[in-house]
Amino acid sequence: RKEVEQDPGPFNVPEGATVAFNCTYSNSASQSFFWYRQDCRKEPKLLMSVYSSGNEDGRFTAQLNRASQYISLLIRDSKLSDSATYLCVPRPNYGQNFVFGPGTRLSVLP
Amino acid sequence: GAGVSQSPSNKVTEKGKDVELRCDPISGHTALYWYRQSLGQGLEFLIYFQGNSAPDKSGLPSDRFSAERTGGSVSTLTIQRTQQEDSAVYLCASSLYGGGGEKLFFGSGTQLSVL
Repeated sequence: RKEVEQDPGPFNVPEGATVAFNCTYSNSASQSFFWYRQDCRKEPKLLMSVYSSGNEDGRFTAQLNRASQYISLLIRDSKLSDSATYLCVPRPNYGQNFVFGPGTRLSVLP
Repeated sequence: GAGVSQSPSNKVTEKGKDVELRCDPISGHTALYWYRQSLGQGLEFLIYFQGNSAPDKSGLPSDRFSAERTGGSVSTLTIQRTQQEDSAVYLCASSLYGGGGEKLFFGSGTQLSVL
């Protein structure tokens, strides 16, 4: 099983919609995670950190389900500018590298 | 500059030639990572430098790939005898200490095209 798995999408949603996608992870010891977003032909940028059960930042809510080993990202009132690929990555231990998931592509349509 | 700087932004080379890609991390960042991303694919880990520790080279795909980091700052990724399958965007990232929940800052990447 891969360390991080994500539904590649694409998720095509209309503006204003609510969309959610999951990321599953294999290492049960993982304590926290990050969501990065990557715009087309651009570098990834940190969107949110996910500690304990989850957190919220404006229209974005991330939740962590340790029992089922997945984290989710919920986007409410989606905007055209939310169109991007969303990458999930477990927080590594000190001295270890970041292993990124393959990403989920979101297209918000007018 | 304030961010991670990579050069060149684009590199076109012929099969069999050697190339060098450069990364200038954010000043003071001790951890430096190289990833590559083929078109439509995810980030593939290549190599990780952490301070003065031996680098984690476990992601390098073949012995044609090597990297060094001089003086704990600038890093150079070298690909010898390039092949067409080496065509990808090579991304460099840095963080203050490495792992431990820190934010990664990425450069804008080098687009490598091997003809």
